[in-house]
Amino acid sequence: NAGVTQTPKFQVLKTGQSMTLQCAQDMNHEYMSWYRQDPGMGLRLIHYSVGAGITDQGEVPNGYNVSRSTTEDFPLRLLSAAPSQTSVYFCASSYVGNTEAFFGQGTRLTVV
Amino acid sequence: GENVEQHPSTLSVQEGDSAVIKCTYSDSASNYFPWYKQELGKRPQLIIDIRSNVGEKKDQRIAVTLNKTAKHFSLHITETQPEDSAVYFCAASSGSARQLTFGSGTQLTVLP
Repeated sequence: NAGVTQTPKFQVLKTGQSMTLQCAQDMNHEYMSWYRQDPGMGLRLIHYSVGAGITDQGEVPNGYNVSRSTTEDFPLRLLSAAPSQTSVYFCASSYVGNTEAFFGQGTRLTVV
Repeated sequence: GENVEQHPSTLSVQEGDSAVIKCTYSDSASNYFPWYKQELGKRPQLIIDIRSNVGEKKDQRIAVTLNKTAKHFSLHITETQPEDSAVYFCAASSGSARQLTFGSGTQLTVLP
């Protein structure tokens, strides 16, 4: 059982480049979300989805886009990378409601 | 939106002693409060959670207490061991999709 899989694990981008962080889960969870983790600031919600075709903004959505065409996949797109987007990104999935969130292994992104 | 504050940011204890981490939340509609443990370079993993209809929950050496009136909840770890050393995050769920808002984390170090 793979759980939540994120790719890539590490990425270096130049300012202005775009890229997509991939997230896939095999637990048939309706709810998926993206967080960024910065030192001293915990995990901040970027975007989330409660099912295929439904997405919404979290606390820090600017500069990021998401889509949810299938239950399994929830990619995060950086439109024009900025140094302020240097962070560790985590994807998570769960059943909708107050249940355990399962996290992917994270993507460490550096924007130079 | 929800705001979760977590204290202390760092905590050092001697092996065998107890550790307590405290969180406060702002949204009275929040009704689910999980705690996650994150070891260095790893993904966050759920260690215990509590729902608003319960005041206390225990799981071996770990317990969580909730005071809904004061909007406080706390994590208690007894008989600490070196493998308890990690960053601990509290969270509260709120909003239409019960999205999680995380505290800023506590670095717990258990000294042998």
